[in-house]
Amino acid sequence: RKEVEQDPGPFNVPEGATVAFNCTYSNSASQSFFWYRQDCRKEPKLLMSVYSSGNEDGRFTAQLNRASQYISLLIRDSKLSDSATYLCVVNGGSYIPTFGRGTSLIVHP
Amino acid sequence: DAGITQSPRHKVTETGTPVTLRCHQTENHRYMYWYRQDPGHGLRLIHYSYGVKDTDKGEVSDGYSVSRSKTEDFLLTLESATSSQTSVYFCAISAETYEQYFGPGTRLTVT
Repeated sequence: RKEVEQDPGPFNVPEGATVAFNCTYSNSASQSFFWYRQDCRKEPKLLMSVYSSGNEDGRFTAQLNRASQYISLLIRDSKLSDSATYLCVVNGGSYIPTFGRGTSLIVHP
Repeated sequence: DAGITQSPRHKVTETGTPVTLRCHQTENHRYMYWYRQDPGHGLRLIHYSYGVKDTDKGEVSDGYSVSRSKTEDFLLTLESATSSQTSVYFCAISAETYEQYFGPGTRLTVT
């Protein structure tokens, strides 16, 4: 089993839709969780951290479920500019993060 | 945006030649990383550094070496480039909070 797993997609949604991604992780001792966004041919950029209590930033909500070992990202009111690949990142207590392979989102008019 | 630059941004080189990629940061972060990204593989860690002169191997370190003589610079060297090392190389930095910030990447083609 891969340490961090994501559905590669693509998720193809219309503007204004709500879309959710899940990411599962295998190391129960993992301590830090993040979502990154990567545009085509660009570097990954930190989107948001995921806290035990959940985290919301505008249209984006991230949640952590330690019991089931997954994190989620919810995007409300999707925009064309949200089209990108979303990477899940998990830290197991060291400074070596584990990246998922990413979920591709395509938002169409 | 975090102050990270990579040079060169693009390079074409021939098989068998040595290549050095440079990562420079202005954030004074302790940790620095080199990744490669290839279709179907995602980001893979090559080497990382946890301080000046302190480096360690990642999951795909064969054929690569690194050096960090100053906090701000982390060099990646391909000792004898091969076509399998054609890739996009990203440098990243992090402080004590585990959040990573990436440089713009170097596109390397080995012919």
